[in-house]
Amino acid sequence: KAGVTQTPRYLIKTRGQQVTLSCSPISGHRSVSWYQQTPGQGLQFLFEYFSETQRNKGNFPGRFSGRQFSNSRSEMNVSTLELGDSALYLCASRGLAVNTGELFFGEGSRLTVL
Amino acid sequence: AQSVTQLGSHVSVSEGALVLLRCNYSSSVPPYLFWYVQYPNQGLQLLLKYTSAATLVKGINGFEAEFKKSETSFHLTKPSAHMSDAAEYFCAVTNYNTDKLIFGTGTRLQVFP
Repeated sequence: KAGVTQTPRYLIKTRGQQVTLSCSPISGHRSVSWYQQTPGQGLQFLFEYFSETQRNKGNFPGRFSGRQFSNSRSEMNVSTLELGDSALYLCASRGLAVNTGELFFGEGSRLTVL
Repeated sequence: AQSVTQLGSHVSVSEGALVLLRCNYSSSVPPYLFWYVQYPNQGLQLLLKYTSAATLVKGINGFEAEFKKSETSFHLTKPSAHMSDAAEYFCAVTNYNTDKLIFGTGTRLQVFP
């Protein structure tokens, strides 16, 4: 079956702009998580959605937001971009065994903020 | 709060040598532990996981890890490194109380011919 799909794969924005990233989970997966990956901070948890509800949230400012649609597709939005937001944003989905189940990752969206 | 510590941000081995990547965890309740691998320009892929069954866990590509509660460790090993093992490896922890997966800072493995 198809894996986790993230779009776009690469994008360049300037400071102050906003960006929306999209994630389509594996068919049947209702949980979608977002992570920010940077060389200095590693993988940091942004938030997780399950059945259109945000279930967990990391320690990121309110400029970072997300949502999940009824078909489990998820989007994350970053407003008022800062240089430090340059990162690889990874989306992951998992099935019903949310604690012990495997996270399936997409290839990420690489955001560069100039 | 849970956390994982990966000792050594970079590890270099020769092809055919033993690979040992270290991970120590902190958790107030029994943990579930994972190792993921990330190849360049790709997402993360699960290598193996420990979920309170056998303490020695075998994964893909010849990797294995042993859960040692007394040492709060979950080190990743492979008897003989291959050039294709060069990648970044992440240890992660969660538990039955939460569905948030916490990752370590990663260890980049280099394999020399």
